[in-house]
Amino acid sequence: AQSVTQPDIHITVSEGASLELRCNYSYGATPYLFWYVQSPGQGLQLLLKYFSGDTLVQGIKGFEAEFKRSQSSFNLRKPSVHWSDAAEYFCAVSSGGYQKVTFGTGTKLQVIP
Amino acid sequence: KAGVTQTPRYLIKTRGQQVTLSCSPISGHRSVSWYQQTPGQGLQFLFEYFSETQRNKGNFPGRFSGRQFSNSRSEMNVSTLELGDSALYLCASSLRGEAFFGQGTRLTVV
Repeated sequence: AQSVTQPDIHITVSEGASLELRCNYSYGATPYLFWYVQSPGQGLQLLLKYFSGDTLVQGIKGFEAEFKRSQSSFNLRKPSVHWSDAAEYFCAVSSGGYQKVTFGTGTKLQVIP
Repeated sequence: KAGVTQTPRYLIKTRGQQVTLSCSPISGHRSVSWYQQTPGQGLQFLFEYFSETQRNKGNFPGRFSGRQFSNSRSEMNVSTLELGDSALYLCASSLRGEAFFGQGTRLTVV
């Protein structure tokens, strides 16, 4: 069965600092990988996705993620964090098609001035 | 293209009552999933429907049920509400493995 691990529950970074959120997945074949962001009380918004091809994917709001098959990882990065990036971030995996999407437990990002 | 629509956005119910939440997926999406989100348990998968059939089910008691109609709209029902059912309930419609979320229904049980 597919699974996703986000080892960091909370992360605090200073505004302007770089950010990396970790995500490890377990899946037998080539997965479909996603990062979502959620502001308090809101639904989840897709930041970026990886289906195939270039392992470095660009998303919205200046985020990028790199798929590393050898490490079963799909870490999210941003070179310079803005105060508005404070939110909860979810990594997710699916097998594509009409299959269920499995989410990680989320990482809450706090940004300090 | 309209997004996923969940109604109502907010709901207050009394313990012991039942509640029905609605989700209209993006046009053309045949898969609808439901999630419960609470501060303590995080995002938990409830169930998934595809073409009116429940394909996957999470680890929730039988008080939680759902259905999907021929137009792919889905409803989720919770009977005999408990205080612990207070949560944000999220619906997502999927196409080619990518989930699109609604804004959620905030259910408060008092």
